[in-house]
Parts: sequence; C-alpha cells; structure tokens
Amino acid sequence: GAVVSQHPSRVICKSGTSVKIECRSLDFQATTMFWYRQFPKQSLMLMATSNEGSKATYEQGVEKDKFLINHASLTLSTLTVTSAHPEDSSFYICSARARNLRGGIGSDTQYFGPGTRLTVL
Amino acid sequence: KQEVTQIPAALSVPEGENLVLNCSFTDSAIYNLQWFRQDPGKGLTSLLLIQSSQREQTSGRLNASLDKSSGRSTLYIAASQPGDSATYLCAGNTGRRALTFGSGTRLQVQP
Repeated sequence: GAVVSQHPSRVICKSGTSVKIECRSLDFQATTMFWYRQFPKQSLMLMATSNEGSKATYEQGVEKDKFLINHASLTLSTLTVTSAHPEDSSFYICSARARNLRGGIGSDTQYFGPGTRLTVL
Repeated sequence: KQEVTQIPAALSVPEGENLVLNCSFTDSAIYNLQWFRQDPGKGLTSLLLIQSSQREQTSGRLNASLDKSSGRSTLYIAASQPGDSATYLCAGNTGRRALTFGSGTRLQVQP
C-alpha cells in the first residue's frame, strides 16, 4: 500500500528558532500534498495545499511567511515553521494524494503521514 | 464551504455492544468520505473509504454507509472490544481535494 513518512516524529525547540518537517511519499508520486494541524483535543484543520513545482495555497488565517512550504519533487514536501512561538506547538500531519490506477476524480485517495509533534518552549 | 459534524462527541459502552457513530456533512457534492481512527498522541489510521457512487463499505467488524442526499454517513462497529477505544474521525472530500474533518467521536469500550 501507499506509505507516507514524516520526519521528525517529535521535536522540541526554543522560541524564535525555525523547525523543518519533511513529508515523503515512499512508493508513489504525489502531485499534491496537504498540511494539517491538530491542537489538543481538536480535529485536524487544513493549513495549506502544496502542489509540486508551484506555490502552496494557504488557508485563511495561516501566515504564509511563517509556515513556509516547499514541494520540490513528486515525493517530498517540507513545512518550515519560522520563528516558532509556544502557540505554534501542535501536531502537524501531512497527506499525499494518489490517483489510483483506474483514475477518475472519484477515486482520489489521500494517504496520511504519522504526524510530527512540535513543542516550542 | 463543507462542514462536517460528528455525533456523539464521546461514547462509552460495555464490551460486546454494537454501536453506531454518526457523521453529517453540508455539501452533498462529495467525492468520497473516509473514516479514520486516531489513538491518543498518534497519527491517523484509515478505516474505510466510501466513494460517492457507493452506499457502503465493509471491513471486518466495521461497516460504513453514505447517503449523499441526506448528507449523512454512519460507522457501525459490531461486537465492540476494548481495543476499539480511540477517537474516530470522518472526513469529506469535495472539489478542493483537501479533506474536511469532523471533530471526532471519542469511544471508550469498557472491558
């Protein structure tokens, strides 16, 4: 099956530093990757949509200069949290969209990474 | 804008009971709907995916249904076990391709 990895799984950093999170599709090509954020006891909220070779599309209220997204290849997207603050502490999850062999809009499936827990001190 | 609601927010049942989790969505133009399981502090495990052309999917003790006209999906868990304890999330996939998640149902199965 399709596998998506994230690295690191857990990171603790000091306030003001930058943190990079990698999301990789291991056995398939992903033209689109999504970044979600989950605060404690809340559901997942979409932060941005990342398309290979183009600029990411950010959701309303998400600062694009703070959350830098790069989707340089069909298997890798990175999220960099710049000048992190304690309120950025959260669980960040990526997903990669794979179109199955039969194709068709209705067959799109997203595969999720295991998540990265960020704690900013 | 798609909105997804899950009821109940929390559920506690004794082991062996059959149970139903409910999910409702506002935009019937849905491509597919997925049910996920999330254990505390962990990522998502995909349970079932129902395409818009389908009405239900089954996997083991799990059965998920989709009624686009009423904007509802249900996840049926048969013969619940303590290992089923987790948060269950439903998510709808509409034209934007990103998933819109419900707030989840926290299930506790008592041994």
